[in-house]
Amino acid sequence: QVQLVESGGGLVKPGGSLRLSCAVSGFTFNDYFMSWVRQAPGKGLEWISYIRSAGSYTNYAESVKGRFTISRDNANNTLYLQMDGLRADDTAVYYCARESNVLGRGVFDLWGQGTVVTVSS
Amino acid sequence: SYVLTQAPSMSVAPGQTARISCGGDNIETKSVHWFQKRPGQAPVVVVHDDSDRPSGIPDRFSGSNSGNTATLTISGVEAEDEADYYCQVWDGSSDHYVFGPGTQVTVL
Repeated sequence: QVQLVESGGGLVKPGGSLRLSCAVSGFTFNDYFMSWVRQAPGKGLEWISYIRSAGSYTNYAESVKGRFTISRDNANNTLYLQMDGLRADDTAVYYCARESNVLGRGVFDLWGQGTVVTVSS
Repeated sequence: SYVLTQAPSMSVAPGQTARISCGGDNIETKSVHWFQKRPGQAPVVVVHDDSDRPSGIPDRFSGSNSGNTATLTISGVEAEDEADYYCQVWDGSSDHYVFGPGTQVTVL
């Protein structure tokens, strides 16, 4: 079954850390660029990071640059997001998303169901 | 960084046509994708590369892109189309992905 399953969300204090995982199944993981996208309560979708197929290149939105680190383990079909220095405005549902490798750049054709991160004291 | 604009909300009666606009500087030079987001569900791409429709998406969804405005059109709106709709582009100069702020579509 083709799917993405996120895990690792939870409640964390400001300044704390959390590591999200996205387990991939049903397709050849190392053929695809992968992204993390979040949605804060009552807000819109925000792209925050992507990683290319081999994992050698990454990019980040300014809002998380220097605090978050994206990585992947192609042998174990898993995408990660290490989140450090968490702030209240990082509270959101975090989605992993697959970028199509046959359509245009930015076509996220497969999404997970999301994992909730709450940053609060 | 590249900025997209969308009206925050719109209402449409069943069977009518909804046109959702997405503004951006010379957006016609970019490929625009549209995502449908229902509460509690993952986003779904309904139109990609300005006007292409993925398999499984009803043909009442269509898109266009010209000048500084891209448009998602839903013809013959149905109750199940009630959702938030986001336009999105890849900005090659920054290698970032940019979402518009979203338009909430209410079916009366």
